[in-house]
Amino acid sequence: EAGVTQSPTHLIKTRGQQATLRCSPISGHTSVYWYQQALGLGLQFLLWYDEGEERNRGNFPPRFSGRQFPNYSSELNVNALELEDSALYLCASSFWVRAGAGMTDTQYFGPGTRLTVL
Amino acid sequence: ILNVEQSPQSLHVQEGDSTNFTCSFPSSNFYALHWYRWETAKSPEALFVMTLNGDEKKKGRISATLNTKEGYSYLYIKGSQPEDSATYLCAFSNPDKLIFGTGTRLQVFP
Repeated sequence: EAGVTQSPTHLIKTRGQQATLRCSPISGHTSVYWYQQALGLGLQFLLWYDEGEERNRGNFPPRFSGRQFPNYSSELNVNALELEDSALYLCASSFWVRAGAGMTDTQYFGPGTRLTVL
Repeated sequence: ILNVEQSPQSLHVQEGDSTNFTCSFPSSNFYALHWYRWETAKSPEALFVMTLNGDEKKKGRISATLNTKEGYSYLYIKGSQPEDSATYLCAFSNPDKLIFGTGTRLQVFP
């Protein structure tokens, strides 16, 4: 079974430009998550899409946006790039399992896109 | 702001040593605690999902325990091998997103 795939592997942009990152989830997974790992920091939650809708977003400015397509693949767009947007961007897809009184999911990660803003 | 903390930040051990590290998380509104292993140049790989107080999970030489009342989880590696070298991340289910710790970077020397 194919895992989560992301493209491109590396992306180099200049300040003010826009970046588009792509993610294909594992077949059967409807949820896609985006994370940012900037240098020296942990994984920071960016966005969660499920069934084509944005379900939650992390503490990031509106320049970070995305969408999920009918085939559950997803795009992350970063507008007006700033130097501090340079980071590894990871995508994950998941399925939900029962956890106590609620549900939780195991997330399967892609290899990431390394974005460099010059 | 929910905070997940891991310690130590990094750890160097000799092959054959056993080791353990800690993840601390908020003890209220607990849903699940996840452990991931992240090897260099690879994707984070799910190790365990733990949901109940007192849970113990085991996968080969790696095991984990969970205390939701006091808000901590331990990850143990018995007889470390060089291939165990990786960053070990824990993540707290919030519940609709994962809040990751910054990880414990383990290096096992032959």
